[in-house]
Amino acid sequence: KQEVTQIPAALSVPEGENLVLNCSFTDSAIYNLQWFRQDPGKGLTSLLLIQSSQREQTSGRLNASLDKSSGRSTLYIAASQPGDSATYLCAVRPSTSGSRLTFGEGTQLTVNP
Amino acid sequence: DAGVIQSPRHEVTEMGQEVTLRCKPISGHDYLFWYRQTMMRGLELLIYFNNNVPIDDSGMPEDRFSAKMPNASFSTLKIQPSEPRDSAVYFCASKEAQRGGYTFGSGTRLTVV
Repeated sequence: KQEVTQIPAALSVPEGENLVLNCSFTDSAIYNLQWFRQDPGKGLTSLLLIQSSQREQTSGRLNASLDKSSGRSTLYIAASQPGDSATYLCAVRPSTSGSRLTFGEGTQLTVNP
Repeated sequence: DAGVIQSPRHEVTEMGQEVTLRCKPISGHDYLFWYRQTMMRGLELLIYFNNNVPIDDSGMPEDRFSAKMPNASFSTLKIQPSEPRDSAVYFCASKEAQRGGYTFGSGTRLTVV
């Protein structure tokens, strides 16, 4: 059974700092991995989607990497801003179980002005 | 595109009443998913459809829950009768084809009193 773990569970940083969020998964047979952000009381917003054949994806100040063999992904946020404060969720789609996503529990990020 | 549209945004109902949640996926997306989010259990997949056909309903907690997708642009999740432990945020998501990423709706916050 696929398990997804995100570390740390919570992170508080001053504005302007570069930071890394970690996601690990137990079964490396994945189809793709997707990073989302969730603001309090809101839905999930997709940030980056990495296919299993890719090593990284970039969007603006965000960079996500994928190392399938070690079962790890990182989300790098450059020059953090207070507006980046949210919960960040990593979700893995295993290659052997249809379209079911397995989510991590999330990292709650607070960027202090 | 307006994204995945869910209604209502909030629903408060009394125990024993029937509740119907609605979802309009993104036009052209072949897959539709219903998720439930609680503090205790995080995000759980309830059921998903491919081309309007239910593929995996193993996450539906009990017979009180049912989901339908009568056409490509509409799905419902019904709880009858509702119980306080059903209180959660219910998300609908859609996806285009095999390699696509998920797009989530804003969710329906259900409170059963």
